[in-house]
Amino acid sequence: RKEVEQDPGPFNVPEGATVAFNCTYSNSASQSFFWYRQDCRKEPKLLMSVYSSGNEDGRFTAQLNRASQYISLLIRDSKLSDSATYLCVVIEYTNAGKSTFGDGTTLTVKP
Amino acid sequence: EAGVTQSPTHLIKTRGQQATLRCSPISGHTSVYWYQQALGLGLQFLLWYDEGEERNRGNFPPRFSGRQFPNYSSELNVNALELEDSALYLCASSLGTAQPQHFGDGTRLSIL
Repeated sequence: RKEVEQDPGPFNVPEGATVAFNCTYSNSASQSFFWYRQDCRKEPKLLMSVYSSGNEDGRFTAQLNRASQYISLLIRDSKLSDSATYLCVVIEYTNAGKSTFGDGTTLTVKP
Repeated sequence: EAGVTQSPTHLIKTRGQQATLRCSPISGHTSVYWYQQALGLGLQFLLWYDEGEERNRGNFPPRFSGRQFPNYSSELNVNALELEDSALYLCASSLGTAQPQHFGDGTRLSIL
């Protein structure tokens, strides 16, 4: 089993749709969580941090469920420009700060 | 503020050769991370440096090595290159452990 798992998708949704991605992690000692987006053949760009209480940034909402060991990303009112691969990353304090990226979930927003 | 810069943008080598990739972190960032991303695949953690020391390494053979200089810039060296080393090599920097990482544009390494 991978340490960090994401549904690879692809998720194909129409403009204006709401879409949610999950990311599960295996190490309960994991302490920091982030979402990134990566456009084709480009570098990952930080989208948002994930806090225990949940956090929102415009149309994007991130949540953490420590009991079930997953984080989620919700995108409301999808835009064409949201089409990208979304990566979660988990950082473990107990393993010298090891950071593990998921393989990503691909989103395509269609007109 | 300048972001993470990597050089070269592209690098073409042949099997058995050695490659050196360079990375300059964002000013003030002391941690530098290296990742390998083969075409169509996810990011694989290679190395993490902080304050000049190697803090952690991923499941890669010893021919992948690196270092961090006093100015926090870093080098990744890959010896005895193999065809499967062809990938995008990404460098990221952060303020420290558990802080968000910011990526450079990457170096595309092609092994012929």
